[in-house]
Amino acid sequence: GAGVSQSPSNKVTEKGKDVELRCDPISGHTALYWYRQSLGQGLEFLIYFQGNSAPDKSGLPSDRFSAERTGGSVSTLTIQRTQQEDSAVYLCASSSWDWRKNTGELFFGEGSRLTVL
Amino acid sequence: GNSVTQMEGPVTLSEEAFLTINCTYTATGYPSLFWYVQYPGEGLQLLLKATKADDKGSNKGFEATYRKETTSFHLEKGSVQVSDSAVYFCALSSFGVGKLIFGQGTTLQVKP
Repeated sequence: GAGVSQSPSNKVTEKGKDVELRCDPISGHTALYWYRQSLGQGLEFLIYFQGNSAPDKSGLPSDRFSAERTGGSVSTLTIQRTQQEDSAVYLCASSSWDWRKNTGELFFGEGSRLTVL
Repeated sequence: GNSVTQMEGPVTLSEEAFLTINCTYTATGYPSLFWYVQYPGEGLQLLLKATKADDKGSNKGFEATYRKETTSFHLEKGSVQVSDSAVYFCALSSFGVGKLIFGQGTTLQVKP
């Protein structure tokens, strides 16, 4: 597709279960980002990928969170042993960042809404 | 560390009113600055940007000027419309960091 695609769009799970969230970026975009948007909060940075490597994973809240990217394309964010405080909208974005000018545009998906009961 | 602070919302205006949403930042070096907008039921999209001091970004009647001396990037529009109702996010990217740091977002409601 033309835009960033995320799945599932909605996920309801029970506390303690594992979940996987998928992001399919815009073709050709080398940078991929994961953010979290909680009710009443701003956008919290989680991790970003340049190609298949993650130079910055400083925003991952705990070791229950992990992410990978394969083939420089699709990325999966995995949350193990989910807790109620993990409930949020998880946003993925991709870009073709111009590192020399420090500018570009992040294109966001519509997000995956996670509800942990 | 780098951070962005926005005025708290919601901001409620009547149609054709003047809009200002304040944004200030803390950053090392010379960041690039952005405003993103999230319309109801849609993903975030870039509204405007500025990459150096005194630059003015503009789009769809919105403007913001990069003020290094006051570390600000306030969003303005002369005459808002109902269709401008959305959540607005200010963001920065420090050189070489490769990620955007967002503010908390400001909800704008425009009434007819």
